[in-house]
Amino acid sequence: DTGVSQDPRHKITKRGQNVTFRCDPISEHNRLYWYRQTLGQGPEFLTYFQNEAQLEKSRLLSDRFSAERPKGSFSTLEIQRTEQGDSAMYLCASSLGPGTSTDTQYFGPGTRLTVL
Amino acid sequence: DQQVKQNSPSLSVQEGRISILNCDYTNSMFDYFLWYKKYPAEGPTFLISISSIKDKNEDGRFTVFLNKSAKHLSLHIVPSQPGDSAVYFCAASSGQYGNKLVFGAGTILRVKS
Repeated sequence: DTGVSQDPRHKITKRGQNVTFRCDPISEHNRLYWYRQTLGQGPEFLTYFQNEAQLEKSRLLSDRFSAERPKGSFSTLEIQRTEQGDSAMYLCASSLGPGTSTDTQYFGPGTRLTVL
Repeated sequence: DQQVKQNSPSLSVQEGRISILNCDYTNSMFDYFLWYKKYPAEGPTFLISISSIKDKNEDGRFTVFLNKSAKHLSLHIVPSQPGDSAVYFCAASSGQYGNKLVFGAGTILRVKS
C-alpha cells in the first residue's frame, strides 16, 4: 500500500535561495492539495489541483510560490527567493475527488523547510 | 477569522478512561468533518469522519458526534491508551469550497499509564 509520499523530508536553505518540493499522491486520487503548518497551528490551505488543473490558490500563496501538477500525477511546489517567514512544514494531501460522497484527504509525511 | 476552533490546547487522561476532544465551527456551509492525529515531525493521519447528514459515527475505540444546531463536534476515545498520546486536529470542509480542509489549532492529548 503506497500512501502519499513527499520529498525531501527536510530542507535547510539560506534566505534568497529557491527550493522545490515534490509530492506523489495515492495513485488513483484525482485531487491533490498543498497545506502549510507552522508551530502551534493547524495546517493552512495553500492550493489544490483536480487532475492537472490548478483550481484555487490561497491568499497565503504569494507570487514567490508556484505549484504544478503536470499530467495529473505528481506535483511540485516551488518557493523562489525564500524568506525566513517561509520556514514551516509543507504538507501534501490527496483524495479521490468530486463524485464521492465523503472525500477524505490523506496526508504525506511533510517537508520541513528551515530558512536561515 | 477562525472558522474551526479547538478551545482546549491540551488534555490529560488516565489510561483506560475516556478522552473527549471538542471542536466548534462557525460556517454553516461545512458538510464534512474529520479528525486527524499527528505525531511530531509526521503528517496528519486520518482517524474518523462524519457527514453532516449524520449525528454519530463509530470506528472501534473512536466515536465522533456532530451537533449541527450547536455547530459542535466531539471525538470520544474509549478506552484511552498511551499510544493515543498525540496532537488531534479537527477539520471541516464543504463541496462548495472545493473540499479544502479548514483546521482547528489542535489539542494535545496525553494518556498517562
